[in-house]
Amino acid sequence: GDSVTQMEGPVTLSEEAFLTINCTYTATGYPSLFWYVQYPGEGLQLLLKATKADDKGSNKGFEATYRKETTSFHLEKGSVQVSDSAVYFCALSEKGGSARQLTFGSGTQLTVLP
Amino acid sequence: ETGVTQSPTHLIKTRGQQVTLRCSSQSGHNTVSWYQQALGQGPQFIFQYYREEENGRGNFPPRFSGLQFPNYSSELNVNALELDDSALYLCASSSAGARDEQFFGPGTRLTVL
Repeated sequence: GDSVTQMEGPVTLSEEAFLTINCTYTATGYPSLFWYVQYPGEGLQLLLKATKADDKGSNKGFEATYRKETTSFHLEKGSVQVSDSAVYFCALSEKGGSARQLTFGSGTQLTVLP
Repeated sequence: ETGVTQSPTHLIKTRGQQVTLRCSSQSGHNTVSWYQQALGQGPQFIFQYYREEENGRGNFPPRFSGLQFPNYSSELNVNALELDDSALYLCASSSAGARDEQFFGPGTRLTVL
């Protein structure tokens, strides 16, 4: 079945440092890929998405590129802020079929220190 | 535009009891999905409802059931609660034309003692 693997956390960075969170996936077809963010005590917020190979999703300074050849969708940000501290989830959704369920990775806790 | 809302926020039950969780979808969305998020884990898909019918189901036993109403709101029912059912239950809504772009509510934290 489909699966998503994220780099183990937690990740601790200083403010203005460069961020990379690795994500690889296994899917039978050509899924859409997502990054969600979860702040303490809240639900998930969609951060960015990409629907086909070589697409780049971007939002709030975060970027991720859909790499079909390496089945990866790594999240990057050039300069993190304290307010970026949260748990980040990589997810996929298979195209086709009526139910477009999301399959999530286990999450990566990011802490940014001032 | 009103986002996804869920009630209650927190709930404490004992083993063997039954629980009902509620979700109101975002304005304009007619599809609702439910997920279970255990502590420290990613959300796991329970099922999805579209036009008041179950549209897909994850690897959860039949004691997890749901409903969708004509106004697109939804309920998740869990019978014969087990300790392992303790989790954050998340509801997500989406439109029929963009079912993979799901918008999540804040969740209901269920504790089973």
